[in-house]
Amino acid sequence: QKEVEQDPGPLSVPEGAIVSLNCTYSNSAFQYFMWYRQYSRKGPELLMYTYSSGNKEDGRFTAQVDKSSKYISLFIRDSQPSDSATYLCAMSGNQGGKLIFGQGTELSVKP
Amino acid sequence: DSGVTQTPKHLITATGQRVTLRCSPRSGDLSVYWYQQSLDQGLQFLIQYYNGEERAKGNILERFSAQQFPDLHSELNLSSLELGDSALYFCASSVDGSTNEKLFFGSGTQLSVL
Repeated sequence: QKEVEQDPGPLSVPEGAIVSLNCTYSNSAFQYFMWYRQYSRKGPELLMYTYSSGNKEDGRFTAQVDKSSKYISLFIRDSQPSDSATYLCAMSGNQGGKLIFGQGTELSVKP
Repeated sequence: DSGVTQTPKHLITATGQRVTLRCSPRSGDLSVYWYQQSLDQGLQFLIQYYNGEERAKGNILERFSAQQFPDLHSELNLSSLELGDSALYFCASSVDGSTNEKLFFGSGTQLSVL
């Protein structure tokens, strides 16, 4: 079993929809949770960063962490075609600086 | 632009060969990470360096090696290449390699082994 599980999709939604992406994990030592966005053939770019449990909002994006359930989510409101990309969850704990990534969910937002 | 530079962008080679991938971290960053991304395995951590010293090791094969030089750029050497080594290789950097740090990724090197 992988340390971080993420449904690879693909997920297709109409423009303006609310998108929900999520990951589950097994390592209770994880404390730092991130979401990266990766456009095709490009490097991942950091989208959201949260520490421990709770919510964080940045514009149309909201990240949620539930450590008791070992479950993290990313919500995208008013989705746009430019949001079409692969979204990777990532997390780290006490293993030095290395991040453990989920498989990534491919999202397509249709005009 | 993340500020992390990787060269070359594409590399095509044959089985059994050896290649070197290069990475320049963001200005001021002391820690460099190498990741391999393939369709079936996702983004896999290979190795981390901090200020020239190896700090953490992941799923890096013995045929692969890396180093970080005094000017902080890093190289990933892949030898005795196999078809299964074909993947996107990413370099990332962070300020000091702490657990809670954000990583900034380069655009990657696409390696094709034929």
